[in-house]
Amino acid sequence: DAGVIQSPRHEVTEMGQEVTLRCKPISGHDYLFWYRQTMMRGLELLIYFNNNVPIDDSGMPEDRFSAKMPNASFSTLKIQPSEPRDSAVYFCATHLKLNYGYTFGSGTRLTVV
Amino acid sequence: QKEVEQNSGPLSVPEGAIASLNCTYSDRGSQSFFWYRQYSGKSPELIMSIYSNGDKEDGRFTAQLNKASQYVSLLIRDSQPSDSATYLCAVNMIKPGGTSYGKLTFGQGTILTVHP
Repeated sequence: DAGVIQSPRHEVTEMGQEVTLRCKPISGHDYLFWYRQTMMRGLELLIYFNNNVPIDDSGMPEDRFSAKMPNASFSTLKIQPSEPRDSAVYFCATHLKLNYGYTFGSGTRLTVV
Repeated sequence: QKEVEQNSGPLSVPEGAIASLNCTYSDRGSQSFFWYRQYSGKSPELIMSIYSNGDKEDGRFTAQLNKASQYVSLLIRDSQPSDSATYLCAVNMIKPGGTSYGKLTFGQGTILTVHP
């Protein structure tokens, strides 16, 4: 298995632009999580899905952030418009059974200038 | 009180010493506990999981769980410079009705440096 696949690995964009981050979960993993990590705030849960349905989006910072999971093989996290304070590493993680823990993707390092 | 708290660090130990990383959690009903290692610029990697009170050993790593004290720790014996990383404690917390939220709650991490 190729693991959790995130793209792009790095993204540099200008303030105000739309950014879309992508995640392909491990096949069969029915939970998918989007996290943001910064030095100041650590690892923050933004939103998570179970069987493609959003379960908890209380961590999404504001309306500029949206996430979708149209099918079991793909999820996106969109920021529109982006701001410099959105600069962080964004991780996608999945699990089949929580007792096995999560598997994280390699992350997307977002820089908004 | 934070739901999952780790000793603030950074923690610096000499090569060959035992590194002790600690974590406390607020939810007494929590069922499963994990330690992740994160190298700089990399994603978190699961290194240990523990579900029952007591010790669980895997090579140089030992996880210890005490549910009565709501405390979980990770010991790294014979620490090596390659163990230098941030260690994240994660807990599977339980809803009041007894089912899992389906997610892990992470501590803020402890930076460990092993110096030669």
